[in-house]
Amino acid sequence: GQQLNQSPQSMFIQEGEDVSMNCTSSSIFNTWLWYKQDPGEGPVLLIALYKAGELTSNGRLTAQFGITRKDSFLNISASIPSDVGIYFCAGQLEGNFNKFYFGSGTKLNVKP
Amino acid sequence: SAVISQKPSRDICQRGTSLTIQCQVDSQVTMMFWYRQQPGQSLTLIATANQGSEATYESGFVIDKFPISRPNLTFSTLTVSNMSPEDSSIYLCSVPKRGGYEQYFGPGTRLTVT
Repeated sequence: GQQLNQSPQSMFIQEGEDVSMNCTSSSIFNTWLWYKQDPGEGPVLLIALYKAGELTSNGRLTAQFGITRKDSFLNISASIPSDVGIYFCAGQLEGNFNKFYFGSGTKLNVKP
Repeated sequence: SAVISQKPSRDICQRGTSLTIQCQVDSQVTMMFWYRQQPGQSLTLIATANQGSEATYESGFVIDKFPISRPNLTFSTLTVSNMSPEDSSIYLCSVPKRGGYEQYFGPGTRLTVT
């Protein structure tokens, strides 16, 4: 199956710091989604990206669809304790509607 | 976004038995998806369930092990058959956004097989 390389695998940061994570692939994607999963919960959609170069924000979160269409980035500004969780990227291949491949996740820890 | 519920939320089962997981959506959807999330891992698509037709399974997943029903446009079940400890995972259903490609997930069913 398709491989999405998500990094970093985990992060330990201080409250108030900014966070960056990314997903890369050797394949071209049509859509990128970013999710957050809290323990014992299903993933919650944060941001959806549809066009190469697109930059979209959701509060303190900003995500970008890479210009090569093979990568995507998620930034969190001024982190707070409730940002703790696992963040997943998901990509949809060209012509493969409704099927998403998920990255391995970035576990974010925020120290108050 | 759609409101999705799953039952049971968690279960502990003995090896060799089967468990049926239910997924209910508050609106009609053509497609529903079933995912598996093994401990500490990412999400892997098991199958796509369309109402009125056989489910489409991904490589590595077979109907005998994971039979799926889709009796109407708001409901689906996934059965995990003849369970072994390797089946211990979170099982999630998801539905696509109407008119878009985003997928929304249910809360998941946490299965432990002993």
